[in-house]
Amino acid sequence: QQKVQQSPESLTVSEGAMASLNCTFSDGTSNNFRWYRQHSAKGLEVLVSIFSDGEKEEGRFTAHLNRANLHVSLHIREPQPSDSAVYLCAVGTSSGSWQLIFGSGTQLTVMP
Amino acid sequence: NSKVIQTPRYLVKGQGQKAKMRCIPEKGHPVVFWYQQNKNNEFKFLINFQNQEVLQQIDMTEKRFSAECPSNSPCSLEIQSSEAGDSALYLCASSLTGGAERLFFGHGTKLSVL
Repeated sequence: QQKVQQSPESLTVSEGAMASLNCTFSDGTSNNFRWYRQHSAKGLEVLVSIFSDGEKEEGRFTAHLNRANLHVSLHIREPQPSDSAVYLCAVGTSSGSWQLIFGSGTQLTVMP
Repeated sequence: NSKVIQTPRYLVKGQGQKAKMRCIPEKGHPVVFWYQQNKNNEFKFLINFQNQEVLQQIDMTEKRFSAECPSNSPCSLEIQSSEAGDSALYLCASSLTGGAERLFFGHGTKLSVL
């Protein structure tokens, strides 16, 4: 079964410095990867969806996928204090049922 | 703001009590998912629907939960007899196709079983 792990568990960066979050998975046949952000007030919002190896940019958020290395990352350009939240990596299963397997999250804190 | 509406935001029940939560998916989204998020941020898929039909559910859901997505009414997830281990955030998500499309999540219902 697909296993998804995120690192680091928590990350503190200064406002304006690049923030990089990592996610590894165990089954390289998946083709459906998403990064979510969880604010307690706003619920869960999708940031970037990526379906093939390479890079996908959505505003200040860029995902890099390398299925051979079983790795997907999220880079946040010019983070702001309002970006402080839990960031979740989710990997779609390759079975026909299409479920998402989530990592346990990275708590990002952006200091002013 | 989320277009997937979940109610109530908070739910407190005693062990053995029924716990029912509701979800209105985003308009036009026929596919609905329920996930359970525990305090360790671990997500567990519970069940998904396409229109009113169950597509897939896990054993736990089949045995202790009751879920439905009737036409023209909110979807619902009900725990028949709550256990302490059911305390979690229950997230509803909807999707246009259930495939590679984006999932849109509600804010969740936080269930506390005392």
